[in-house]
Amino acid sequence: KQEVTQIPAALSVPEGENLVLNCSFTDSAIYNLQWFRQDPGKGLTSLLLIQSSQREQTSGRLNASLDKSSGRSTLYIAASQPGDSATYLCAVRQGLRAAGNKLTFGGGTRVLVKP
Amino acid sequence: DAGITQSPRYKITETGRQVTLMCHQTWSHSYMFWYRQDLGHGLRLIYYSAAADITDKGEVPDGYVVSRSKTENFPLTLESATRSQTSVYFCASRTTGGEKNEQFFGPGTRLTVL
Repeated sequence: KQEVTQIPAALSVPEGENLVLNCSFTDSAIYNLQWFRQDPGKGLTSLLLIQSSQREQTSGRLNASLDKSSGRSTLYIAASQPGDSATYLCAVRQGLRAAGNKLTFGGGTRVLVKP
Repeated sequence: DAGITQSPRYKITETGRQVTLMCHQTWSHSYMFWYRQDLGHGLRLIYYSAAADITDKGEVPDGYVVSRSKTENFPLTLESATRSQTSVYFCASRTTGGEKNEQFFGPGTRLTVL
């Protein structure tokens, strides 16, 4: 059974510092990995998706890396801003044979960027 | 509006009552999902559907019923609500099983069962 872990559960940084968020998973046979952002009381917003054949994906200040063999992904957010304060979730998708090729989520990292 | 909408956004009900949460998507995505989000448990899959008239159980299906007569709608029914079903419910959709395809989420329904 796939298990996804995000450590730390919470993180506080001063504005301008780079953010590094970690995600680890136990079964390396993944189809893809998706990073989401969730603001309090809101739904999940997709940030980046990395296919299993990719090593990294970039969008603006966000960069996500994937190392399937070690079961790890890292989300980097450059030059953090107070508006980056949110909970960040990673989720992995198994292959087509898995139930609905469903996403398995980590517990999230709650980020606070202090002005 | 384009995307995924959920209704109601907030619902308070009593133990034993039947409740239906609605989910509508405008993309004609094949896959639709229902998750619940609880403190300490994260997001857990309740039911999913690969296409109209095709549904299957996820991790925590007990006490829930789904149907999908039309591609764009995927209602979730709690047949006899219990306090343990107090949660935030998210509907999601994805176009196909392809590796490039992202999953998108609705805004959620906060359900309280008294």
